[in-house]
Amino acid sequence: AQKVTQAQTEISVVEKEDVTLDCVYETRDTTYYLFWYKQPPSGELVFLIRRNSFDEQNEISGRYSWNFQKSTSSFNFTITASQVVDSAVYFCALSEAGYGNKLVFGAGTILRVKS
Amino acid sequence: DVKVTQSSRYLVKRTGEKVFLECVQDMDHENMFWYRQDPGLGLRLIYFSYDVKMKEKGDIPEGYSVSREKKERFSLILESASTNQTSMYLCASNRGTSGNTIYFGEGSWLTVV
Repeated sequence: AQKVTQAQTEISVVEKEDVTLDCVYETRDTTYYLFWYKQPPSGELVFLIRRNSFDEQNEISGRYSWNFQKSTSSFNFTITASQVVDSAVYFCALSEAGYGNKLVFGAGTILRVKS
Repeated sequence: DVKVTQSSRYLVKRTGEKVFLECVQDMDHENMFWYRQDPGLGLRLIYFSYDVKMKEKGDIPEGYSVSREKKERFSLILESASTNQTSMYLCASNRGTSGNTIYFGEGSWLTVV
């Protein structure tokens, strides 16, 4: 069965600090997809990144970076030089190939960035 | 840009009422989903549909039904609302091909009193 664990319920940082959000997943499939979404106070989930299981290359997009390690079943998300606008709930999610494209979500991590 | 629109942002309903939550997507996506979000539990799948008139139960279908008469529209129905169905409901859609990004609507906050 597929499962996603985000052990950090809530993280508080001061602006300009770096912060890493952890995500650990479980799946029996060899082909799967991992996602990160951001949910600001307005409520809409905003897509951040999608990774397939065959691509372990780390990715950087501006202040955001993602570290995918199959050996530890982790897909961690780092925000460099955090800003107040980064305050949101962040969800990690997993989709198995052939499983109807359904996403299984972690419980989410609340990130609070203080000025 | 993909647009998933949920008809009601905030609703207050009475216990026992029949409730309809409507969702429309404008990208000709094959798949549509209804999730429920509760604090500490993340998002849980209620139902999904991979084609018109087709539906499959998700992880928590009890107390809900769905309808998909047109490709762009997916409705969630609470036959007899109960207070434990007070929650945030999120509609989503994506293309049928495996692993495609799922796009979400803004959510509907439902309070059952």
